[in-house]
Amino acid sequence: DVKVTQSSRYLVKRTGEKVFLECVQDMDHENMFWYRQDPGLGLRLIYFSYDVKMKEKGDIPEGYSVSREKKERFSLILESASTNQTSMYLCASRQGTITGELFFGEGSRLTVL
Amino acid sequence: QQPVQSPQAVILREGEDAVINCSSSKALYSVHWYRQKHGEAPVFLMILLKGGEQKGHDKISASFNEKKQQSSLYLTASQLSYSGTYFCGTEFPRNTPLVFGKGTRLSVIA
Repeated sequence: DVKVTQSSRYLVKRTGEKVFLECVQDMDHENMFWYRQDPGLGLRLIYFSYDVKMKEKGDIPEGYSVSREKKERFSLILESASTNQTSMYLCASRQGTITGELFFGEGSRLTVL
Repeated sequence: QQPVQSPQAVILREGEDAVINCSSSKALYSVHWYRQKHGEAPVFLMILLKGGEQKGHDKISASFNEKKQQSSLYLTASQLSYSGTYFCGTEFPRNTPLVFGKGTRLSVIA
């Protein structure tokens, strides 16, 4: 079974803390994405990567950064968490260059106090 | 720019039909449809590429009208298992990340 695994399902952090959200896929996909999901707003793209060491900003990158040192792993970093970053974070991957389906992880629900 | 989905929410009785629409102001390359059940990851339903094709999956089908930049998802004879939030994701241009709509919450009741 193909899989996108997000290491933490639930996290509670304090304002100002550095937060790492890890995502690993086992499908040898080139493309990986981080989306943020909020009620009534749908899924919004934070960052994406089409190759190792490559990263591009999405629609709402402010306050976030990413790291992709290995093909299978894409990390989302909140340098200094703020309460408005309380949200559900979804990682997704797909095969590169071909329009294909996205495979999503189960999500990481982050609460910043 | 986010595509616009309508309706925002719909309640159906088992066996009823529903249509969910997705509109964009851009000349799309493809439209994707996903369903997310409560507490779960979104799951892929189907992709429609420009060309006006219609696809089907059991009792769920979809169409893509290139001229109107609009896609519709058709759920026929709904089942309880169809409940969830449906998202359309649009791709413009080719091989760019999907931009998702705000979702349509579908509830099917017995």
